[in-house]
Amino acid sequence: KAGVTQTPRYLIKTRGQQVTLSCSPISGHRSVSWYQQTPGQGLQFLFEYFSETQRNKGNFPGRFSGRQFSNSRSEMNVSTLELGDSALYLCASSRDGTTGRETQYFGPGTRLLVL
Amino acid sequence: QQQVKQSPQSLIVQKGGIPIINCAYENTAFDYFPWYQQFPGKGPALLIAIRPDVSEKKEGRFTISFNKSAKQFSLHIMDSQPGDSATYFCAAKGGATNKLIFGTGTLLAVQP
Repeated sequence: KAGVTQTPRYLIKTRGQQVTLSCSPISGHRSVSWYQQTPGQGLQFLFEYFSETQRNKGNFPGRFSGRQFSNSRSEMNVSTLELGDSALYLCASSRDGTTGRETQYFGPGTRLLVL
Repeated sequence: QQQVKQSPQSLIVQKGGIPIINCAYENTAFDYFPWYQQFPGKGPALLIAIRPDVSEKKEGRFTISFNKSAKQFSLHIMDSQPGDSATYFCAAKGGATNKLIFGTGTLLAVQP
């Protein structure tokens, strides 16, 4: 079974631009969560989607948004990029997440550099 | 109350040693405690997880010890190998959500 895939793997943008990252969960998984990983803040939860609905949201500004499609694929968007948005963005999927005890499988991440 | 505190920040052991990584939490609503291993350039991979109704869980060379009253849990790696050199994260979550709260990570180096 293929793992979680994320595209693109690397991205360079300039301040003020916007970016869209894509995540394809493991086949059959319906829950997708996004995390931001930086050396200073570590791994921080951005949001979670389940059945095309945002189920949970972390403490990030409104510039960070996401969505999920009917095939469970998810995208996250960051508008008006700031230098501090440079990070590794990780996507994780799980089967349904209704119990809160599902194993989450992470993708390799998208490395975003904002200049 | 949402934090998970992890220590040490880094750890160096000799091959065959038993590195121990500790985590502590405050939120008593947490009911699932996974440990993740991350190699450079890769996403975190689940190693082992425990629920608060169990005090210890072993999977291969990895053992989690859980102390519910102290709100602490730890990862032990038996017979550590150079291939275990990676960053280890503890995490916690509670309720019907997939929101993981991660510790700050421990960079482990196992010297041959």
